[in-house]
Amino acid sequence: ETGVTQTPRHLVMGMTNKKSLKCEQHLGHNAMYWYKQSAKKPLELMFVYSLEERVENNSVPSRFSPECPNSSHLFLHLHTLQPEDSALYLCASSQSLTTDTQYFGPGTRLTVL
Amino acid sequence: EDKVVQSPLSLVVHEGDTVTLNCSYEVTNFRSLLWYKQEKKAPTFLFMLTSSGIEKKSGRLSSILDKKELFSILNITATQTGDSAIYLCAVPAVGGTSYGKLTFGQGTILTVHP
Repeated sequence: ETGVTQTPRHLVMGMTNKKSLKCEQHLGHNAMYWYKQSAKKPLELMFVYSLEERVENNSVPSRFSPECPNSSHLFLHLHTLQPEDSALYLCASSQSLTTDTQYFGPGTRLTVL
Repeated sequence: EDKVVQSPLSLVVHEGDTVTLNCSYEVTNFRSLLWYKQEKKAPTFLFMLTSSGIEKKSGRLSSILDKKELFSILNITATQTGDSAIYLCAVPAVGGTSYGKLTFGQGTILTVHP
């Protein structure tokens, strides 16, 4: 498999559930990112990881918890979400933090009931 | 704070038309500007522009940057229904603690009718 993959592609959860989003990149990149894309709003950066270390947390609520066990995998753990958290969550990777071109996965469409 | 504004927000054309999408930016330190095409889900990379006045071209798509006036345009000639998508413009943060941060515009929704 090539590029950036994400699972699941669709997720419906209640406000009391706990779930995790998974991202895997097959590009040998060292930096990985989580973005949120809500309707009619620009993509918003949530987290940045470089070589498994978090370098940016863009004022994201603690109900979103990222994890980067190695440079190829990135998770976003979700708990006690709100309906307004419903959005498309996109993962991306780049060669390094100073490489501008980021490559995106297909996203997870999350619906919080 | 870096800012990216795209126009128009939406555009409806017929096959064969030529379209021009605009992206203006305000950044503390400029290094590059990127264009992406988003169909259904994943934004796919189109162009990265770093130098003013040099056109990047890929088939019917082309893009140019004007660093003096702080904008870029994306042109699509002889549009096809497969060009229907959201076109995103982004600039990376340079320096400081904003490592790897891309600031995106709102996107232009292009619809091409047969």
